[in-house]
Amino acid sequence: QVQLVQSGTEVKKPGASVKVSCKASGYTFTGYYIHWIRQAPGQGLEWMGWVNPNNGGTNYAQKFHGWVTMTRDTSITTAYMDLSRLTSDDTAVYYCARVDSSTWSFDYWGQGTLVTVSS
Amino acid sequence: DVVMTQSPLSLPVTLGQPASISCRSSQSLVFSDGDTYLHWLQQRPGQSPRRLIYKVSKRDSGVPDRFSGSGSGTDFTLKISRVEAEDVGVYYCVQGTHGITFGQGTRLEIK
Repeated sequence: QVQLVQSGTEVKKPGASVKVSCKASGYTFTGYYIHWIRQAPGQGLEWMGWVNPNNGGTNYAQKFHGWVTMTRDTSITTAYMDLSRLTSDDTAVYYCARVDSSTWSFDYWGQGTLVTVSS
Repeated sequence: DVVMTQSPLSLPVTLGQPASISCRSSQSLVFSDGDTYLHWLQQRPGQSPRRLIYKVSKRDSGVPDRFSGSGSGTDFTLKISRVEAEDVGVYYCVQGTHGITFGQGTRLEIK
């Protein structure tokens, strides 16, 4: 069955970077885009961008240009989201989600990774 | 950017009664291929979001048939025919026609 398993909780200081991983299994990794979405405490969902596991191509929401990097390692079917220059506003649960290209919708989600930014 | 506006933002419902959530987009969600990439997600407390409905009205496998989606162009609706306790959570519309944009979410609670 399709699974997206994310790395564990992170606590970071302001100004640091964080790298969250998303291990995919149960399907052909290179056949589906991986998107990253975040959710601040008590807030809604915010789309951050995607990585194409087939060729490494990326597309970031305008807000995150210059401080997010999305990559993948096809040998271990894992996608990564790297966010730099963290501030307290980046405290959130970060989700990876697979997009089904025939519907352009999120059909499977990871369990989420809590990133807390605090001095 | 396309703005997605949901209403209401809070929805108290009596068990067994129907519920309806509206989602409006700032521009038409009909893509050049003729499809409309408007979807609905459910997020139960403490859980990851889960897709309920894709492309306006197609229900995901395992989703009870009390959930239905409808609409076209810029106006869309998610309906629950008879609310059950397990339906408590936040419902989001999300469009994939012009990039990706989420609605603010509608919190459904039992009255």
